Amino acid sequence: DVKVTQSSRYLVKRTGEKVFLECVQDMDHENMFWYRQDPGLGLRLIYFSYDVKMKEKGDIPEGYSVSREKKERFSLILESASTNQTSMYLCASSLGGQRHTEAFFGQGTRLTVV
Amino acid sequence: GQSLEQPSEVTAVEGAIVQINCTYQTSGFYGLSWYQQHDGGAPTFLSYNALDGLEETGRFSSFLSRSDSYGYLLLQELQMKDSASYFCASSWRQAGTALIFGKGTTLSVSS
Repeated sequence: DVKVTQSSRYLVKRTGEKVFLECVQDMDHENMFWYRQDPGLGLRLIYFSYDVKMKEKGDIPEGYSVSREKKERFSLILESASTNQTSMYLCASSLGGQRHTEAFFGQGTRLTVV
Repeated sequence: GQSLEQPSEVTAVEGAIVQINCTYQTSGFYGLSWYQQHDGGAPTFLSYNALDGLEETGRFSSFLSRSDSYGYLLLQELQMKDSASYFCASSWRQAGTALIFGKGTTLSVSS
């Protein structure tokens, strides 16, 4: 059974804190993604990675960074959390290459910044 | 840039047929996917169209017209459990294959 696991389901952090969201997949997928989901705005791509140590900015990378040191793990970092980063964060993975493959999602981390 | 437009809400009754449209503007367009998300759940894959035409998977079908930059998801014999949000997504080729989503359509099925 394929699995994408996010380290926390709920997280509360203070403004200015450095926040790490972790995502692990067990499918040997090349591609990994971080999205944030807000009501009425759908899923917006923050960053994606197509290989170890490789990353590309998505539509809303400001205030975020990522790390992919191992193929199975993709971390999202909020350098200095702000209240406008309160959101649901979804991690996903998919096979690499030019052909399309479906993306598998984790259950999400609901982050509240106070 | 990449953008996908879909209606925000659709309502229907059990047993009916509903069509959710999606128009897109993406550079490097590679294909159109559809995902379903129930409240509190993770998005799950429904279908994918790389070529023009209709793809059928049980009660769900998806259509793509690349010349019109348009696609739709067709849900037949609606059931209450089909109440969910539906997202179209464009596969985007840039040093890997990113997936860009529309804002989602909330489908409410009533009895």
